Amino acid sequence: SQELEQSPQSLIVQEGKNLTINCTSSKTLYGLYWYKQKYGEGLIFLMMLQKGGEEKSHEKITAKLDEKKQQSSLHITASQPSHAGIYLCGADPLYNQGGKLIFGQGTELSVKP
Amino acid sequence: GAVVSQHPSWVICKSGTSVKIECRSLDFQATTMFWYRQFPKQSLMLMATSNEGSKATYEQGVEKDKFLINHASLTLSTLTVTSAHPEDSSFYICSARGREPGYTFGSGTRLTVV
Repeated sequence: SQELEQSPQSLIVQEGKNLTINCTSSKTLYGLYWYKQKYGEGLIFLMMLQKGGEEKSHEKITAKLDEKKQQSSLHITASQPSHAGIYLCGADPLYNQGGKLIFGQGTELSVKP
Repeated sequence: GAVVSQHPSWVICKSGTSVKIECRSLDFQATTMFWYRQFPKQSLMLMATSNEGSKATYEQGVEKDKFLINHASLTLSTLTVTSAHPEDSSFYICSARGREPGYTFGSGTRLTVV
């Protein structure tokens, strides 16, 4: 079965600093989703990547999927306290056959003002 | 955009009682609903997948008689935790998928069993 490994598990950065979160899959990723969650709340969709080498950006967040489609990274530029939360990568292990989304362990981000 | 309304947002119940959690897709037809469980400081663990009008498919290790899932219509899925015990206390969250790609998550339900 496909597993997603996220690193780091937690991250504390100073406001204004850049940071990167990684998501590595044991199998080829055919659809990789990035979500943000505040503890005890729902998930906020950030981005979805499908093609090898694809890169998407929204405001100060950029997500990339490597050419081999087994690793994705989420990069935040000039972090702000509003970026704090839990970042989750998710993938459909059956690629549109089962449709279920499995998640990495999550990365808890804290941004110090 | 697509919205999934999940109720209640939190619930406290006594051991031995049953609790029902509802998820409604408000502006799209949810052909598939997913139910997840999340423990503190942990990620989301998929419990089951349900398609409208058919029985839910449970993940390994999830008791189907304890966690009853009903997906009777294209806009409503329910999760009933039967004979709840303190170890069932957790954060439960649903996700819906329509005919378009992508997943829409509910806001979650915090269940506390006392």
